[in-house]
Amino acid sequence: EVQLVESGGGLVQPGRSRRLSCAASGFTFDDYAMHWVRQAPGKGLEWVSGISWNSGSIDYADSVKGRFTISRDNAKNSLYLQMNSLRPEDTALYYCAKGRSYGLVNWFDPWGQGTLVTVSS
Amino acid sequence: DIQMTQSPSSLSASVGDRVTITCRASQGISNYLAWYQQKSGKIPKLLIYGASTLQSGVPSRFSGSGSGTDFTLTISSLQPEDVATYYCQKYNNAPLTFGGGTKVEI
Repeated sequence: EVQLVESGGGLVQPGRSRRLSCAASGFTFDDYAMHWVRQAPGKGLEWVSGISWNSGSIDYADSVKGRFTISRDNAKNSLYLQMNSLRPEDTALYYCAKGRSYGLVNWFDPWGQGTLVTVSS
Repeated sequence: DIQMTQSPSSLSASVGDRVTITCRASQGISNYLAWYQQKSGKIPKLLIYGASTLQSGVPSRFSGSGSGTDFTLTISSLQPEDVATYYCQKYNNAPLTFGGGTKVEI
């Protein structure tokens, strides 16, 4: 069974940094692209960033470009999101999601349970 | 960037009703469209990909259609367990944009 377990969320002050992690199991991690998708409280879904199987292809939403960095460690079956210069509008539940295949551009299935990041002073 | 617009933003229907949700892309995306269901307090669940291919395990009352810019998600006979918010998502290229969601109530 595929499992995606996010961690690293919490309360962080504006302008500060936070690193999210996603531990994957139940599938061959380095065969698949991985993504971060967020959902602000009471709002819809927003794709944040994705990374291909070998980290050769990476992309970001305009709203986080230049502030967030996605990475993966295939040896550790782990996905990361380094978030810098955080803003109150980054407050959201951050989901880790598995891509359909090795390429960056695809749908998401399944999703983790999410980790909540709250940006507030 | 291509924008995805869903309509309506919410709807109320009766058990057994046929429900249709529309998703429109600002530019053509061929059939690179997925649909998700998110129940209250739960994680999103993939329903359909390739605009019309039902994900394994999804009830057959769900169906998808469309290509290019206009897509629909249809629930042929609404059930109480279908109360949820439904999102479309394009994946022809990045950014992998979602529609704003359609809340379905009974």
